[in-house]
Amino acid sequence: DAGVIQSPRHEVTEMGQEVTLRCKPISGHDYLFWYRQTMMRGLELLIYFNNNVPIDDSGMPEDRFSAKMPNASFSTLKIQPSEPRDSAVYFCASSPGLGSGTGFYEQYFGPGTRLTVT
Amino acid sequence: AQSVTQLDSQVPVFEEAPVELRCNYSSSVSVYLFWYVQYPNQGLQLLLKYLSGSTLVKGINGFEAEFNKSQTSFHLRKPSVHISDTAEYFCAFNDYKLSFGAGTTVTVRA
Repeated sequence: DAGVIQSPRHEVTEMGQEVTLRCKPISGHDYLFWYRQTMMRGLELLIYFNNNVPIDDSGMPEDRFSAKMPNASFSTLKIQPSEPRDSAVYFCASSPGLGSGTGFYEQYFGPGTRLTVT
Repeated sequence: AQSVTQLDSQVPVFEEAPVELRCNYSSSVSVYLFWYVQYPNQGLQLLLKYLSGSTLVKGINGFEAEFNKSQTSFHLRKPSVHISDTAEYFCAFNDYKLSFGAGTTVTVRA
């Protein structure tokens, strides 16, 4: 398997612009997670999905952030409008969840998208 | 609330020396604990996990960790480190969503 795929790997944009980050989870994984990593706050869970349904979005910073999972193989994280304080590395992870036989609560991370908002 | 605390933010170590990274957890229920490694400019990679059973868990790249319920700890060890072990290490607690410790930066020097 190719692992979790994220695009783009790097994104530089100007304040006020819309940014869309993309993620393709590992095939067969029922859970998908979006994380943000910054020096100040470390790793933070933003939102996670189970079978394409958002389960917990309590980590989403504010209404400027939105996430969707239209099907089992694709998810997006959108920031509109973007601000300099959104600059961070955004990770997507997927997990087979319970009873998969390959791991219990184990998550597999993508390489991340480094976002810079100027 | 369930959480993990990594007791060391930076650990410098010489090549071929042993290293121990300390992690304490707080939970009133059954725990699932993990160690992840993040190499520079890369994503997180699972080193090892404790779900149940043997308290000594062996992972990839020669790492191992010991689950100690009485001390609520899950320390990571490696008997002899290499330059390539330079990375950031995260202890994590999982009840479907990972709660990460703040991370420990390991710098291996020749």
